[in-house]
Amino acid sequence: DIQMTQSPSSLSASVGDRVTITCRASQSISTYLNWYQQKPGKAPKLLMYAASSLQSGVPSRFSGSGSGTGFTLTISSLQPEDFATYYCQQSYNTPLTFGGGTKVEIK
Amino acid sequence: EVQLVESGGDLIQPGGSLRLSCAASGFTVSSNYMSWVRQAPGKGLEWVSVIYSGGSTYYTDSVKGRFTISRDNSKNTLYLQMNSLRAEDTAVYFCAREETVGVPGATSQAMYADVWGQGTTVTVSS
Repeated sequence: DIQMTQSPSSLSASVGDRVTITCRASQSISTYLNWYQQKPGKAPKLLMYAASSLQSGVPSRFSGSGSGTGFTLTISSLQPEDFATYYCQQSYNTPLTFGGGTKVEIK
Repeated sequence: EVQLVESGGDLIQPGGSLRLSCAASGFTVSSNYMSWVRQAPGKGLEWVSVIYSGGSTYYTDSVKGRFTISRDNSKNTLYLQMNSLRAEDTAVYFCAREETVGVPGATSQAMYADVWGQGTTVTVSS
């Protein structure tokens, strides 16, 4: 199975900050990488797919990059509604696997 | 409106069985890949199973032989039959529609879950 490792596991940031979350795969997954946002008690929400494609309706302050084994999710200017937990997921093969999550908290 | 609504979650004793349902509206379940994802209390997301539009099914190792994903085309509904339930199966279970997109230079398509249900809670405890 492909292991997905996110870092950091949590971070504190202020509104307006630039935030970067990293996801590393245990083997090359090309660009088969998705990012989701989840708020407490809610279902996950798709942000990015295929590593760098922005899902329709998601603000352009979110961006994704990377290929192979290293990927990043960047929020260019953190907004109050962005405080949440973020997960990466590989869809290169089954079992599809998620990273452990990165909780973005208010500083 | 495209929507998924799960049901069937319950408190069940270890070793018991439960069937979760995921009713879809606004799109056709059989024309899409569909997944189940779960989240144990206070933990991260764990992918459980997928059914492809062609009918192929795949599972995470911990549920193989115990869980079965299926769909009823006439009801436009996805199911997860869960047998021999264990305490570690306690979680909120989400169903999701998987869209696919081609990846340049690759032979297989990438999958991403663009529509999610609200989740249904399964508690396995005596």
